[in-house]
Amino acid sequence: EAGVTQFPSHSVIEKGQTVTLRCDPISGHDNLYWYRRVMGKEIKFLLHFVKESKQDESGMPNNRFLAERTGGTYSTLKVQPAELEDSGVYFCASSQDDLAGDNEQFFGPGTRLTVL
Amino acid sequence: QKEVEQDPGPLSVPEGAIVSLNCTYSNSAFQYFMWYRQYSRKGPELLMYTYSSGNKEDGRFTAQVDKSSKYISLFIRDSQPSDSATYLCAMSAGGLTGFQKLVFGTGTRLLVSP
Repeated sequence: EAGVTQFPSHSVIEKGQTVTLRCDPISGHDNLYWYRRVMGKEIKFLLHFVKESKQDESGMPNNRFLAERTGGTYSTLKVQPAELEDSGVYFCASSQDDLAGDNEQFFGPGTRLTVL
Repeated sequence: QKEVEQDPGPLSVPEGAIVSLNCTYSNSAFQYFMWYRQYSRKGPELLMYTYSSGNKEDGRFTAQVDKSSKYISLFIRDSQPSDSATYLCAMSAGGLTGFQKLVFGTGTRLLVSP
């Protein structure tokens, strides 16, 4: 079974440009999370989808970030306009929706974003 | 103050050594305590998790949680060069459907030399 995939693996853009990151969760996983690691810092939560609904977006840094999950499958994270401080590695994770379980989050390999 | 504190290392040990990795935290609401391993250019991979206080063992790995001290540990016995990676602690208050959002430490880089 395929794991969580993310595209692109690496993106280099200039300040002010727009970038869209994509995440394909494991098939059947209703929960989808976005996290970000800025250089030298810890991985930080951005937001959580349950199917197509935003369950928790408390970690989104500002309104330049827009996440969508149309149809409850893949998700996109758009940064517009990008700023220098947005550089980092963006991770996506997915988990099952199982009321009986402690649901492991499976992480993708991340998208490394560099804003020049 | 960060919610989770973790020594970034690097921690260098010879093959066969016992490794101790630790995190402290400040949020009393945390109920789930996880250890992830991350190899270079890869995503974090869950090693093991513990619910509330106590110990958990899985092969060469043992996780300990002391909620009274807000302190968690991961022990690796008979360390191998293949254990060389960054080890991240993560915690969650949990929710209706599992872990919910995770709060990570910065990660400790471990180097095991042959």
